[in-house]
Amino acid sequence: DSGVTQTPKHLITATGQRVTLRCSPRSGDLSVYWYQQSLDQGLQFLIQYYNGEERAKGNILERFSAQQFPDLHSELNLSSLELGDSALYFCASSVVSGGRSETQYFGPGTRLLVL
Amino acid sequence: AQSVTQPDIHITVSEGASLELRCNYSYGATPYLFWYVQSPGQGLQLLLKYFSGDTLVQGIKGFEAEFKRSQSSFNLRKPSVHWSDAAEYFCAVGADQAGTALIFGKGTTLSVSS
Repeated sequence: DSGVTQTPKHLITATGQRVTLRCSPRSGDLSVYWYQQSLDQGLQFLIQYYNGEERAKGNILERFSAQQFPDLHSELNLSSLELGDSALYFCASSVVSGGRSETQYFGPGTRLLVL
Repeated sequence: AQSVTQPDIHITVSEGASLELRCNYSYGATPYLFWYVQSPGQGLQLLLKYFSGDTLVQGIKGFEAEFKRSQSSFNLRKPSVHWSDAAEYFCAVGADQAGTALIFGKGTTLSVSS
């Protein structure tokens, strides 16, 4: 158990819909990262938040957005869903104390199926 | 740009045999390197990491990896594979700044035969 929790575990929805994925980081970790794992693209970085502020953006679609709340949990919002958005979405967290790359600990993931 | 290549998509090893999974990275400065394992239906578990110092790093579950700067490689090894090691293995590289995103390889699926 990494200490990172994600809900829900599974999500089935229809095209055009909007969903929210939730992540609670490890106790003490200020940084949250979102990754998407799909068969064709592999594991790709989407976005990072640090202590409530957006820190870095990767290959995140404009239909997707995220935020990190004062209690440090994060939500990833996916809207106007398409079949191709079906994937496993991971959240990871790290301390980020400055000066070196910190270890990222991953949650169990949310499996999204868009029908 | 940073990139990670795992040349082997799928490897089958007999139980008790040794294992080496290959990873090559592309990064201009000193890389920070990681190996993660993903069992079916599970999340990513950190096996080991290299930040600096001794180029041979030990991880959990009897795994080790060696950083070779001259070959831009960070291969994962295990002397004797167990059936429970069957999983997908990912090599990843991070930049030398705090808290940056990881770049992952495409992964290597390990099957263990009895």
